[in-house]
Amino acid sequence: KQEVTQIPAALSVPEGENLVLNCSFTDSAIYNLQWFRQDPGKGLTSLLLIQSSQREQTSGRLNASLDKSSGRSTLYIAASQPGDSATYLCAASGGGKLIFGQGTELSVKP
Amino acid sequence: DADVTQTPRNRITKTGKRIMLECSQTKGHDRMYWYRQDPGLGLRLIYYSFDVKDINKGEISDGYSVSRQAQAKFSLSLESAIPNQTALYFCATSDAGTVGSYEQYFGPGTRLTVT
Repeated sequence: KQEVTQIPAALSVPEGENLVLNCSFTDSAIYNLQWFRQDPGKGLTSLLLIQSSQREQTSGRLNASLDKSSGRSTLYIAASQPGDSATYLCAASGGGKLIFGQGTELSVKP
Repeated sequence: DADVTQTPRNRITKTGKRIMLECSQTKGHDRMYWYRQDPGLGLRLIYYSFDVKDINKGEISDGYSVSRQAQAKFSLSLESAIPNQTALYFCATSDAGTVGSYEQYFGPGTRLTVT
């Protein structure tokens, strides 16, 4: 059974820092890995999707990597801003279904 | 207009009542999903449907039922609501992967409170 873990559960950084959010999964037979952003009480916004055949994807200040052999994905946020404050969720896709981690709550202080 | 819409956005109901949450999508996707989100437990899959005639139980289907009325519509019912079904409910859609990537797109959520 696939299990997805995100560490840390919460992170507070000063504005301008580069930071890394971690996601690990137990079953390497995934189809893709998706990163989402969720603002308090709101829906999920898809940030990046990495196919199993890919190593990384980039969008603006965000870069996500995938290492299936080690069961790990990282989300790198460059030059963080207060507007980046949110909960970040990763989800591993297999069998057409997503298994979610519990998220990392990010706070970027001005 | 949003690609995935959910109605109602907020609902307060009493224990024992029947309630239906509705989801509509304009993305033309075959696959639709219902999740619930609870603090500390993350998002968990309730039911999913890969096409109009295909319905599957997810991780936590007890106490719920679904109906896929059309490619674009997928509803979730609580036959007799109980307080521990208080949660944030999300609908999502994805393509079938033949030409896409299985990327899932989420609706804005329905906040359900059962008193």
